[in-house]
Amino acid sequence: AQTVTQSQPEMSVQEAETVTLSCTYDTSESNYYLFWYKQPPSRQMILVIRQEAYKQQNATENRFSVNFQKAAKSFSLKISDSQLGDTAMYFCAFIANFGNEKLTFGTGTRLTIIP
Amino acid sequence: NAGVTQTPKFQVLKTGQSMTLQCAQDMNHNSMYWYRQDPGMGLRLIYYSASEGTTDKGEVPNGYNVSRLNKREFSLRLESAAPSQTSVYFCASSESRVMNTQYFGPGTRLTVL
Repeated sequence: AQTVTQSQPEMSVQEAETVTLSCTYDTSESNYYLFWYKQPPSRQMILVIRQEAYKQQNATENRFSVNFQKAAKSFSLKISDSQLGDTAMYFCAFIANFGNEKLTFGTGTRLTIIP
Repeated sequence: NAGVTQTPKFQVLKTGQSMTLQCAQDMNHNSMYWYRQDPGMGLRLIYYSASEGTTDKGEVPNGYNVSRLNKREFSLRLESAAPSQTSVYFCASSESRVMNTQYFGPGTRLTVL
């Protein structure tokens, strides 16, 4: 069974600074995908970034980037030049490829951007 | 292109009442999912449908039933609601089991008294 652990329940950072959210996972699968989802106060779950395990290059999406360490089973999210609109819950999630439908979520990190 | 839509947005039920949560997607996705989100926890999978005509249990299926009405629509039914089913319910869809990035609806907040 897969598990996803987010060890930082809450974080806060000044606007325009950089912040890194941690995520570790445990799996025996070799092919899988990792995701970061953002859930603002509106409650909508919004895909932030996706990483395929077979790709060595870290995914980036504008101000969002990941540090994917496959051997260490670590998948952290870095937000650069943080903005007030980044205030949200952030969930790390895992899904094994081929035959496993279950998207396994961590418990989330509540990020607050301070003006 | 609305993506994934859910109705209703909010619902209050009394213990023992029944209701159906509706979900529809307009992205021509094959796979659809129902999750629940409880305080302090991530989302947990209730049921999923890998393709039209198929449904399978997820992590927490007890007390729920689902129907994949057609490719677009996937409903979740509570036959006899219990306070333990108070939660926020999310529907999601993905293109396929291989292209499996899941896109979520806005959620339904359900309270069972």
